[in-house]
Amino acid sequence: GESVGLHLPTLSVQEGDNSIINCAYSNSASDYFIWYKQESGKGPQFIIDIRSNMDKRQGQRVTVLLNKTVKHLSLQIAATQPGDSAVYFCAENLGGSYIPTFGRGTSLIVHP
Amino acid sequence: GAVVSQHPSWVICKSGTSVKIECRSLDFQATTMFWYRQFPKQSLMLMATSNEGSKATYEQGVEKDKFLINHASLTLSTLTVTSAHPEDSSFYICSARDRFNEKLFFGSGTQLSVL
Repeated sequence: GESVGLHLPTLSVQEGDNSIINCAYSNSASDYFIWYKQESGKGPQFIIDIRSNMDKRQGQRVTVLLNKTVKHLSLQIAATQPGDSAVYFCAENLGGSYIPTFGRGTSLIVHP
Repeated sequence: GAVVSQHPSWVICKSGTSVKIECRSLDFQATTMFWYRQFPKQSLMLMATSNEGSKATYEQGVEKDKFLINHASLTLSTLTVTSAHPEDSSFYICSARDRFNEKLFFGSGTQLSVL
């Protein structure tokens, strides 16, 4: 299940399950959104992005959904694997600035 | 894919000394690079935007004299933490924006520990 720790929410899932990581972004004018994966001791790694003129985009095993009405972004990971264990950040961009503002992050723990 | 090399990956230094961190885009040119700071279990906080050939733009609350940024070429930006103190201990991450496709790529980070 999902729990909120002192700093970082945590989502624990079983290997093979689908994972859904949620993000609330702050600026209604943001028009470009990115999901990053960060493994311990490493820099963020690009996963998938979406522009505000879309509400869904699919990649390999991942899907991003955008709901501009409630300023909500989600990342769905299909058939989650232990290698998916990491911290996932959403980031929003405003008006072509391409300077992403990072959200709080969610720690995904995949149990074998 | 594009690679951003950040060096060193970790450094331990004495209080009062200065530490330089390098960020290189290996196979693309970056007119803009970014420096972030990250505390354990927290998000990335943008410190400054580094523009090739001009002065860096610092975020509010970041001391420009404390964190010196130099972006002398299209493939290299450096961050120097001057007169480091234990409270400067953190994970520092750079990113570089490809000048042609605007995509952002991140370095692997530098863990700084100040004793």
